[in-house]
Amino acid sequence: RKEVEQDPGPFNVPEGATVAFNCTYSNSASQSFFWYRQDCRKEPKLLMSVYSSGNEDGRFTAQLNRASQYISLLIRDSKLSDSATYLCVAHMNRDDKIIFGKGTRLHILP
Amino acid sequence: DGGITQSPKYLFRKEGQNVTLSCEQNLNHDAMYWYRQDPGQGLRLIYYSQIVNDFQKGDIAEGYSVSREKKESFPLTVTSAQKNPTAFYLCASSPRDRGTNTEAFFGQGTRLTVV
Repeated sequence: RKEVEQDPGPFNVPEGATVAFNCTYSNSASQSFFWYRQDCRKEPKLLMSVYSSGNEDGRFTAQLNRASQYISLLIRDSKLSDSATYLCVAHMNRDDKIIFGKGTRLHILP
Repeated sequence: DGGITQSPKYLFRKEGQNVTLSCEQNLNHDAMYWYRQDPGQGLRLIYYSQIVNDFQKGDIAEGYSVSREKKESFPLTVTSAQKNPTAFYLCASSPRDRGTNTEAFFGQGTRLTVV
């Protein structure tokens, strides 16, 4: 089982819709979790951290369920500019290893 | 401005040659990382370092080598033993703070092409 798994998509979603991604992780020693966004041929950039209590940043909401070992990202009122690949990331506590999922591709359709 | 710098942005190498990719950060981060990304794929961890003079193999270390003589620098050498080196290489750094601010910051990447 891969350490961090995501549905690769692509998700083709009309502008204005709500879309949700899930990600599962296998190592319960994982300490911190993040969602990154990567545009074509660019480096990944931090979208938001994921906290156990859930957190929201504008149209984006992230949730962490440690018992079930999954992380989610919800995007409301999607914009054309949200089209990108979204990477789920786990930072291991013990050895500082940072593991990326393969990413979920999102296409927002006009 | 604080940040992480990779150079060069594009690199061409002849088959059988070693090549070194540079990564420098002035964020005072202890941990540094090298990832490889192939077209349409995710990031795979090559090597990482938690502290100066120490580093560990990631998932795909074969054919690569690193050094960590200074906190700011974590160069990656792609050796001739790497069978398929053409890829996008990304360097990252992260603080080792056990609080919430442990996200990775990335350089702009180096595109290596073997010709």
